[in-house]
Amino acid sequence: DAGVTQSPTHLIKTRGQQVTLRCSPKSGHDTVSWYQQALGQGPQFIFQYYEEEERQRGNFPDRFSGHQFPNYSSELNVNALLLGDSALYLCASSSGSYNEQFFGPGTRLTVL
Amino acid sequence: AQSVSQHNHHVILSEAASLELGCNYSYGGTVNLFWYVQYPGQHLQLLLKYFSGDPLVKGIKGFEAEFIKSKFSFNLRKPSVQWSDTAEYFCAVSLPSGYSTLTFGKGTMLLVSP
Repeated sequence: DAGVTQSPTHLIKTRGQQVTLRCSPKSGHDTVSWYQQALGQGPQFIFQYYEEEERQRGNFPDRFSGHQFPNYSSELNVNALLLGDSALYLCASSSGSYNEQFFGPGTRLTVL
Repeated sequence: AQSVSQHNHHVILSEAASLELGCNYSYGGTVNLFWYVQYPGQHLQLLLKYFSGDPLVKGIKGFEAEFIKSKFSFNLRKPSVQWSDTAEYFCAVSLPSGYSTLTFGKGTMLLVSP
């Protein structure tokens, strides 16, 4: 049973560019959440997708957007990249009401 | 909004020493509580969780945590650490009605010397 997978593993972009990160949830999970983990910090919640809709959003600007597909996989898009967007982006999937989230390995984004 | 505070950013212990990592949260209502661990080069993994019931929760690899409601605390403990426990540990909370989204502390890096 494959766990949560993310692609790419690493990404380097320059300021002002746009980036798309991808996530496939654990088998049987229907909810995908995205987190940003800056160096030396804990993960911060960006948003959550369920039934192809954004269900909840953290304190991130509109430059951060996402999408969920019918197969439950998800994308995170970031426009107009800033140096401060450099971080590890984590995807987590879950199902049911017991709040356990399973995390992927993350995508390391570096903005130059 | 809820927040989580972890008392120590770095902890260094020798093998067989006892471990206690502090975690406090700020929120006036009912919360779900978690400890996650991130071993070097690996994913975040759930160590243990508390939703309700017995405030002493046992997790994987010999870890346990105690929820003390009056102190808004959920400290992680292990009687005897091993070199393989070297990792970063994150305390997190979620609201029972909050669609399982997690608020994390900044993490504690534990280094266990052999």
